[in-house]
Amino acid sequence: AQSVSQHNHHVILSEAASLELGCNYSYGGTVNLFWYVQYPGQHLQLLLKYFSGDPLVKGIKGFEAEFIKSKFSFNLRKPSVQWSDTAEYFCAVKPPSGNTGKLIFGQGTTLQVKP
Amino acid sequence: NAGVTQTPKFQVLKTGQSMTLQCAQDMNHNSMYWYRQDPGMGLRLIYYSASEGTTDKGEVPNGYNVSRLNKREFSLRLESAAPSQTSVYFCASSTPRDKGYGYTFGSGTRLTVV
Repeated sequence: AQSVSQHNHHVILSEAASLELGCNYSYGGTVNLFWYVQYPGQHLQLLLKYFSGDPLVKGIKGFEAEFIKSKFSFNLRKPSVQWSDTAEYFCAVKPPSGNTGKLIFGQGTTLQVKP
Repeated sequence: NAGVTQTPKFQVLKTGQSMTLQCAQDMNHNSMYWYRQDPGMGLRLIYYSASEGTTDKGEVPNGYNVSRLNKREFSLRLESAAPSQTSVYFCASSTPRDKGYGYTFGSGTRLTVV
């Protein structure tokens, strides 16, 4: 079945460490890619998205992601994490078919940043 | 404030009871969605509605029904609740592709079925 996979389920880092969260998808054709963040007790917020053009996408709060078409990947990175980055992170894909914006989400990665 | 409003925020049901989760958006979006969020499984699409008067099944539609009452409102109904439906439910609406599929999520409904 077509899907979105996030490799890391739970990541623990110290402040100032670098972050990379993996995301792979199995859809062929043209996809749109998203990373969302959910802070404790809050609803999802958009970090960044890729539609076309430069495969290195910059988002809010110092996050960036790189689209590698040949690897079907869209990994999220941040050079130096802060305690306030503690949250759950979701990769999402808009599949090629259809005109609606329905998204397929990965399982999520819980990031815990230790002060 | 413009956004997506969900009610109720919390609900406890007994197995076999029915209930409707309400969702309304005031951003004039055509597309609306219902997702459920479970630990370790991310968000899974239950139903979506591309426009007023249309609804389609998502990844996990069994046990649910929806109604797109008008452009603003999109309700989710559990006819006979089961413990497997214990979850956090999010309603969302989005802009079309030419506006970047901008999603706005509601604050969620935490449902427990005992």
